[in-house]
Amino acid sequence: AQSVAQPEDQVNVAEGNPLTVKCTYSVSGNPYLFWYVQYPNRGLQFLLKYITGDNLVKGSYGFEAEFNKSQTSFHLKKPSALVSDSALYFCAVRAKGDKIIFGKGTRLHILP
Amino acid sequence: DSGVTQTPKHLITATGQRVTLRCSPRSGDLSVYWYQQSLDQGLQFLIQYYNGEERAKGNILERFSAQQFPDLHSELNLSSLELGDSALYFCASSVVPSGAQLEQYFGPGTRLTVT
Repeated sequence: AQSVAQPEDQVNVAEGNPLTVKCTYSVSGNPYLFWYVQYPNRGLQFLLKYITGDNLVKGSYGFEAEFNKSQTSFHLKKPSALVSDSALYFCAVRAKGDKIIFGKGTRLHILP
Repeated sequence: DSGVTQTPKHLITATGQRVTLRCSPRSGDLSVYWYQQSLDQGLQFLIQYYNGEERAKGNILERFSAQQFPDLHSELNLSSLELGDSALYFCASSVVPSGAQLEQYFGPGTRLTVT
């Protein structure tokens, strides 16, 4: 079955420290992977995607994600967290029939 | 601002009632997706339309239906509402029928409360 998992419901990071939000996936064929962010009372916003090519993908707001085929992971990272990065983050993967499956989301708290 | 609009922003209704949620995609986008976001189920894909035709179906209940009109706006109809239907309903759009390689742009959502 095709799926995506975000093992952490919540991640707390001090401002200025590096952050990682974890995502693992299970798909047949080549994975198409996405990260979205949701701020309070807003819709989801696209951050970045991996389709093919370089395993390190750079996106909006200084975020990047590393695709690891052997570990079937696509972790979201940022070298130095900002309080304004506090939000709900969703990993997503293309599934059969071109549907997009979203993870349950990870709430990121950046502590001042 | 993603360019996707949804109305209404909030909706409160009683069990057994029927409601219609409306979505206008970004200018130029032909594909519309509907999602349901609830605390216990996360973000669930409901249905996709492309240029007026149903393209893909997800976990959409038989009580729910949708359509996309010639001007590309879409409506999600929810009938015989139950308490468990209370959720945020998002619409998203993309240019092409396949969302595989292209990101989707999400509207601000409609918060439905069923009492």
